[in-house]
Amino acid sequence: DAKTTQPPSMDCAEGRAANLPCNHSTISGNEYVYWYRQIHSQGPQYIIHGLKNNETNEMASLIITEDRKSSTLILPHATLRDTAVYYCIVRVTYGNKLVFGAGTILRVKS
Amino acid sequence: GAGVSQSPSNKVTEKGKDVELRCDPISGHTALYWYRQSLGQGLEFLIYFQGNSAPDKSGLPSDRFSAERTGGSVSTLTIQRTQQEDSAVYLCASSPGTSGSWVQFFGPGTRLTVL
Repeated sequence: DAKTTQPPSMDCAEGRAANLPCNHSTISGNEYVYWYRQIHSQGPQYIIHGLKNNETNEMASLIITEDRKSSTLILPHATLRDTAVYYCIVRVTYGNKLVFGAGTILRVKS
Repeated sequence: GAGVSQSPSNKVTEKGKDVELRCDPISGHTALYWYRQSLGQGLEFLIYFQGNSAPDKSGLPSDRFSAERTGGSVSTLTIQRTQQEDSAVYLCASSPGTSGSWVQFFGPGTRLTVL
């Protein structure tokens, strides 16, 4: 699976959009981009995933560049409860394990 | 619907004892995964079950670790002769697998403390 690079931490004001970047320059054609988050002392929570088209669900939007070498997770109106570690993971869609990096610590501040 | 459940939520044991950790996946999910997360560390893959296929055990750190999945549903992770370095949160995840998507849904974890 391709390696990902994320900033170690970010701050965001409550109510504003949080934009979390991820670089995955070695991604291959059959690899998807997945985003998970982990709130303190809880199991990871699935957020969203995509292949090449932008995706949106009730939690977030995922913007993938045309060359697929980077992506951005957007939380449109961050709340204090969105404070967590956010993981960007690249893998083929079928079966195999998720490889978690260090992720980005997002701190939402009032 | 019900998510992935794990028991116990916390387990304290003495060095050298054996422990069993249980995972109940989401009903109908054919794929099941175990990970562990040591304090301040990232998640580390342990083992993966898919249907009746032979499990992928490539992440198990030693032969003291083993896992079973009975009837394609409940899974038990067993650690024999526990060591202090086994202290971690053990997380289970399941996916619809071949019956649907491969998104993994995680349980709340079991926090293991080896004294």
